[in-house]
Amino acid sequence: AQKVTQAQTEISVVEKEDVTLDCVYETRDTTYYLFWYKQPPSGELVFLIRRNSFDEQNEISGRYSWNFQKSTSSFNFTITASQVVDSAVYFCALSESKSVGATNKLIFGTGTLLAVQP
Amino acid sequence: DTGVSQNPRHKITKRGQNVTFRCDPISEHNRLYWYRQTLGQGPEFLTYFQNEAQLEKSRLLSDRFSAERPKGSFSTLEIQRTEQGDSAMYLCASSLAAPRLGYTFGSGTRLTVV
Repeated sequence: AQKVTQAQTEISVVEKEDVTLDCVYETRDTTYYLFWYKQPPSGELVFLIRRNSFDEQNEISGRYSWNFQKSTSSFNFTITASQVVDSAVYFCALSESKSVGATNKLIFGTGTLLAVQP
Repeated sequence: DTGVSQNPRHKITKRGQNVTFRCDPISEHNRLYWYRQTLGQGPEFLTYFQNEAQLEKSRLLSDRFSAERPKGSFSTLEIQRTEQGDSAMYLCASSLAAPRLGYTFGSGTRLTVV
């Protein structure tokens, strides 16, 4: 069975601090995708990144960076120099990647609420 | 294209009433998903359509829930005889080739059953 664990329920930081959000996943599939989404108070899910299981390269996008390690089944997300606008709930998610016709639904973690204080 | 549209944004209903939500996916997306998100939890999968065919339903989708996607375009999710436990955010997502090309989520419909 697939599972995503986000052990950090809430994190509070002061603006300009760096913060890392942890994500650990379980799957028996050899091919899968990992995602991070941001959910601000308005409720919509904002896509941040998608990573294929065959691509373990870390990625940096502005203040955001992601560390994918298959050996530890982790896909952690770091925000550098956090800002108040980063305050939101962040979800890590996993999807199988099977043949045409397969559901390939997303399995979400329980989310981490990040509060960035001014 | 304006993305995935969901209506209404908010719905307050009395226990026992029926409610229906609508999702308009991105027009060329053949895959459509419904998720439910309760307070403090991540979204949970409810059901999946490929074109007009409903190919998977979660055990979360009780007999009171029904979803349709006529002609493979918009989709509706109906809840009959609503219960307080149905209060949640209902999210719709569409995709052209999931997960390789990702998923586009709508803004959701927040249901409150009083």
